[in-house]
Amino acid sequence: EDQVTQSPEALRLQEGESSSLNCSYTVSGLRGLFWYRQDPGKGPEFLFTLYSAGEEKEKERLKATLTKKESFLHITAPKPEDSATYLCAVGNAGGTSYGKLTFGQGTILTVHP
Amino acid sequence: GAVVSQHPSWVICKSGTSVKIECRSLDFQATTMFWYRQFPKQSLMLMATSNEGSKATYEQGVEKDKFLINHASLTLSTLTVTSAHPEDSSFYICSAKGGGRGNIQYFGAGTRLSVL
Repeated sequence: EDQVTQSPEALRLQEGESSSLNCSYTVSGLRGLFWYRQDPGKGPEFLFTLYSAGEEKEKERLKATLTKKESFLHITAPKPEDSATYLCAVGNAGGTSYGKLTFGQGTILTVHP
Repeated sequence: GAVVSQHPSWVICKSGTSVKIECRSLDFQATTMFWYRQFPKQSLMLMATSNEGSKATYEQGVEKDKFLINHASLTLSTLTVTSAHPEDSSFYICSAKGGGRGNIQYFGAGTRLSVL
């Protein structure tokens, strides 16, 4: 069974204080590691997808990295508008689970001005 | 990114009635659509997967007769909650993938269902 564990559950940062969110995973056949941002009362917004260990992607203040067991979402000099829940998910490559995503519990990020 | 529209965003209904939620992919053809349920402060729980023109595949523990899913075209899927009860109150979110965008799922804005 695919499993995704995110840490910490909640993170409070001061504006400008850089940090990282962790996503540990086990999956029988990885078909993508996905990061989403979810604002309260809204659906998840796609941020990144990573497919192989060593891959990195950046978007504004966010940078996602991937190893064989975990992924990190690095936030550099965050701003209050970066406050949201960040969700990590893995896609499964095999059998009847093909194309499905298994989500972690999310990290609630709060950035104070 | 791709645009997925979900309607309505919020619905209140009486116990015993049925509610239909629509999910549309606006700028790509969605070969597969997914329906999720999310409880407060919890992550997304996959309810079912639907491919255009085929019957939906439901996750273990999800009642097929209560949550009817139709995916009649490449741009529209519907979820009907039949004979809704207060315990069905939740946040329902659809997603769609396809159109050459690989395995990326794009999500709608969600529907808040409150059953009185």
